[in-house]
Amino acid sequence: DIVMTQSPDSLAVSLGERAIINCKSSQSVLYSSNNKNYLGWYQQKPGQPPKLLIYWASTRESGVPDRFSGSGSGTDFTLTISSLQAEDVAVYFCQQYYTTPYTFGQGTKLEIK
Amino acid sequence: QVQLQQSGPGLLKPSQTLSLTCAISGDSVSSNTAAWHWVRQSPSRGLEWLGRTYYRSKWYNDYAVSVESRITINPDTSKNQVSLQLSSVIPEDTAVYYCSREIRYSSSSGFDYWGHGTLVTVSS
Repeated sequence: DIVMTQSPDSLAVSLGERAIINCKSSQSVLYSSNNKNYLGWYQQKPGQPPKLLIYWASTRESGVPDRFSGSGSGTDFTLTISSLQAEDVAVYFCQQYYTTPYTFGQGTKLEIK
Repeated sequence: QVQLQQSGPGLLKPSQTLSLTCAISGDSVSSNTAAWHWVRQSPSRGLEWLGRTYYRSKWYNDYAVSVESRITINPDTSKNQVSLQLSSVIPEDTAVYYCSREIRYSSSSGFDYWGHGTLVTVSS
């Protein structure tokens, strides 16, 4: 199985400041035939299901604010929130959908400092 | 707009069978550009993928090794829904269970729609 490891486990950032969450996969999730990384980022608020923010490591899902961006390739990925808003308080997960079993990171809890 | 409406009992005794249904609107369970997944979430296991079903000229299923001897995911084309059955449940199966759609146009783009989640508690 591909193991997804996020860092940090929790993060406190001031409003308007940048938040950076990292995700590392135990093997590459880059599909060579189309040069796409099969890596997604999700946001989950209490009592709600996960919400897809980013797919293919860097493509923003429709309706997601542009302060959210994803980067990275192969095994190392980053989710950046450029200017933290109060509504961004949530737990964030990365997921690889390169191969089954699809696996998720353990989550990063983002709070306001 | 795709909607996934989950239903099923939330309290089970050990050894019983968990049965959940995910009714799909706004898409077809037989779509050639989607796969339908079940994922569960618990404090001890985090988000855990359980399995999927999808149609590409015929039906395919994949299951997590950890539950493959106990799990069945079935599509129901007449009702446009997908079901999850997990037999011989134990307390460790206590979790919130989600159904989700994986969209696959040119290639997979992640899980774009999720059900609201069903808390299933296994307790004697």
